[in-house]
Amino acid sequence: QQQVKQSPQSLIVQKGGISIINCAYENTAFDYFPWYQQFPGKGPALLIAIRPDVSEKKEGRFTISFNKSAKQFSLHIMDSQPGDSATYFCAAIEYGGSQGNLIFGKGTKLSVKP
Amino acid sequence: DSGVTQTPKHLITATGQRVTLRCSPRSGDLSVYWYQQSLDQGLQFLIQYYNGEERAKGNILERFSAQQFPDLHSELNLSSLELGDSALYFCASSVGAGFYEQYFGPGTRLTVT
Repeated sequence: QQQVKQSPQSLIVQKGGISIINCAYENTAFDYFPWYQQFPGKGPALLIAIRPDVSEKKEGRFTISFNKSAKQFSLHIMDSQPGDSATYFCAAIEYGGSQGNLIFGKGTKLSVKP
Repeated sequence: DSGVTQTPKHLITATGQRVTLRCSPRSGDLSVYWYQQSLDQGLQFLIQYYNGEERAKGNILERFSAQQFPDLHSELNLSSLELGDSALYFCASSVGAGFYEQYFGPGTRLTVT
């Protein structure tokens, strides 16, 4: 069962455009939602994260929008650049008792065309 | 550069063999996490160690084991390897035990032939 559903699988955006990646979840116990960026041959890098008590968080060109009632969150990349071309993963942290788990979406491959 | 180091970068071995992957966390980080990344399963959490003790377990097979040493480096042992174990294995580290703000290493690509 896929606990964090990410869409689209791939995305092509023109330079200067807005890239939007969406994620949805079911588990209301999730309490932290990070986004990771991964370039080919590299490990995932933490990009930005949000907690469910905040509806939006912005860091530079990257913004997370969070809708707790709809159990959805999204990443917006403003003024997309060719250097943003990478795979993006949304994730959620789940706690059960003292056990934790970081659950990833399947990823979105973003290509920004010059 | 995240500050997390992993060795080796690539590993090619045969089915039935055993391998050890090594990870050194960022300076000051007490938690080490192991993840497997494959095309069909995506990124999956395997196991977490915090200050030398196992803290959380994810989708780790019984053929796999890990440990964290007093100097905080960690090793992931994979035994009785199968073709399906071919994947990227990432180590991540964080200051605390809570899964927040994890920094990933460059990974070890394991190929089982």
